[in-house]
Formats: sequence, C-alpha cells, structure tokens
Amino acid sequence: QQQVKQSPQSLIVQKGGISIINCAYENTAFDYFPWYQQFPGKGPALLIAIRPDVSEKKEGRFTISFNKSAKQFSLHIMDSQPGDSATYFCAARIGKGNTPLVFGKGTRLSVIA
Amino acid sequence: GAVVSQHPSRVICKSGTSVKIECRSLDFQATTMFWYRQFPKQSLMLMATSNEGSKATYEQGVEKDKFLINHASLTLSTLTVTSAHPEDSSFYICSAGHGGGQPQHFGDGTRLSIL
Repeated sequence: QQQVKQSPQSLIVQKGGISIINCAYENTAFDYFPWYQQFPGKGPALLIAIRPDVSEKKEGRFTISFNKSAKQFSLHIMDSQPGDSATYFCAARIGKGNTPLVFGKGTRLSVIA
Repeated sequence: GAVVSQHPSRVICKSGTSVKIECRSLDFQATTMFWYRQFPKQSLMLMATSNEGSKATYEQGVEKDKFLINHASLTLSTLTVTSAHPEDSSFYICSAGHGGGQPQHFGDGTRLSIL
C-alpha cells in the first residue's frame, strides 16, 4: 500500500513557466510534509516543508499548497529555470524528527529553454 | 543549514568483500539516523532506523545480518554491507534527525558497485 501518491511521474516545463507536482496521502496522522529535490548522484535536499495547520507556505519561487480535507498537497515552482531540472519527492511523517519519512515515487522535472 | 556527511561517495569492489559506509552529522546531534537504498529512477526505500546507543530497527525484508548498522555516537552511524554480492549494488543514502520537529537532512549518498 502506497501511503503517499505522487504525480506526475515526469514533467516538462518551458523556462519561465510554472511547474506543479501533486501528492496525496491517506494517513491522517501525518503531520509534517516536506518536499525534497534530488540531482543525479546526490542525496535529496530539503526544499520546503509544511504542517497541516497552514494552507500555504512560500519560500522564494517555491510554494506548497496544502488541502487538509482533501488530504492533498502540491509544490509549485514559479518562473521555472533549467537549473530546477531534477527529481522532486514529496514526503510525509508522523511526529518529530526521529520518525522515518514516507516518500512519494518522485517526479522527474525537465525545464527546457 | 544542517549538514550530513557520508563517506565514501563511491565504492567499487569484488564480490564477497564487506564494505563500511559512514554517516556523520556535522553540526547537530543526531539522535536518530536512517538508512535508505535507492535504485535507478526510483524512490528511496527505507532500510532501517537507528537510535543512538540502541539496536537498529530494520524494515521488513531487509537482512539484518547482511546490513549491519552501528550508531555508537550522536554524530556517527555506520552501515556495513557484509559479504557483498552484485545484487547489493545500489545507491545508499543516510539521513539524520534530532527530534523536536526539525527536518531530516540527507547525506550525498554512496554508490556501491559490486563486481
């Protein structure tokens, strides 16, 4: 059973466009939802994270939208750049930092000029 | 931001060799460390969770005698792949957390290739 479902699997966006990646979860006990960016041959790097008491969080060009009733959250990348081309993973966690993250399957983003 | 250092970044060795991978938290005390395995173009698969000073908790299907985890201090955890075989070839990644609602940070991974 996949606890966090991520879509799309791959995404191609024009430079300057908006990239949107969606995730859905089932377990209502999840209370922390981070997004990670991974480049080939590197470990995932934390981009932005949100907790369920907030509906939106913005950091620079990255925004998380969170819909608690629908059990969905999404990542928006504004003004997408070729340097944003990477694999993005949504994740969810119950409790504090000493519990494991549950990852989505990832979205491979390609930003073309 | 928090830094997690993983070493070595790449290992190539013969079948039957045991390989040790180190994961260090450089600027915080990691009460918990996690070990993941990632196959090409796939997501991260949790192998085990280790708490400092305790035995690691392994996920179902992960052989604890094959993948030995030690977390002897708040800044260091090691994963030893014993008697490695070609099917153990993969990208191994550690992450560290220290509770208090803080995010987990990942190392840069170790590419293990068994010939």
